[in-house]
Amino acid sequence: AQTVTQSQPEMSVQEAETVTLSCTYDTSENNYYLFWYKQPPSRQMILVIRQEAYKQQNATENRFSVNFQKAAKSFSLKISDSQLGDTAMYFCAFFSLSGGGADGLTFGKGTHLIIQP
Amino acid sequence: DGGITQSPKYLFRKEGQNVTLSCEQNLNHDAMYWYRQDPGQGLRLIYYSQIVNDFQKGDIAEGYSVSREKKESFPLTVTSAQKNPTAFYLCASSSTGLANYGYTFGSGTRLTVV
Repeated sequence: AQTVTQSQPEMSVQEAETVTLSCTYDTSENNYYLFWYKQPPSRQMILVIRQEAYKQQNATENRFSVNFQKAAKSFSLKISDSQLGDTAMYFCAFFSLSGGGADGLTFGKGTHLIIQP
Repeated sequence: DGGITQSPKYLFRKEGQNVTLSCEQNLNHDAMYWYRQDPGQGLRLIYYSQIVNDFQKGDIAEGYSVSREKKESFPLTVTSAQKNPTAFYLCASSSTGLANYGYTFGSGTRLTVV
């Protein structure tokens, strides 16, 4: 079974700063996907970014980028020019391709990110 | 617009009662999932279903039951055997192309035991 660890329960930064959220995972598989989800106070889960394990290039979506280190099993999320609307819980998630992905995503416990004005 | 609808948004249960949470999707997704969210615990998988009339237990299935009689619907029943049901419940769905699009989540149901 896979495990996903987010070691920062809470982080707080000033608006416009850059912040990095850490995520490590444990798996014996070689083919998988990784995701970051955002859950704002509305509690609606929103996909932020995804990374295919077979791709060496780090994924980027506007102000959001990842640092994917496959050998180290690390998948950190960097938010540049942080905005007040980035305040949310952020969840790292692992998707196994074995078994056709039948059992879905495995989530970390989340990091509560607070952007201060 | 396509999406997932969870109802009700808030639900109160008395001790010993069974309650059913609704989850409906019009995305034509094959797979559907139920997660439980507790503070500091992240999302934990309760049940999932890849096709109609078939479903599998997740990591914390005890005290819960589901059905999948239609592709669009995946209701979750919280039974009296679930000793600590107060939590936020999220339903999600995905197509076979999950890895391309990720999950689509509903807006959740907050269940409270009174």
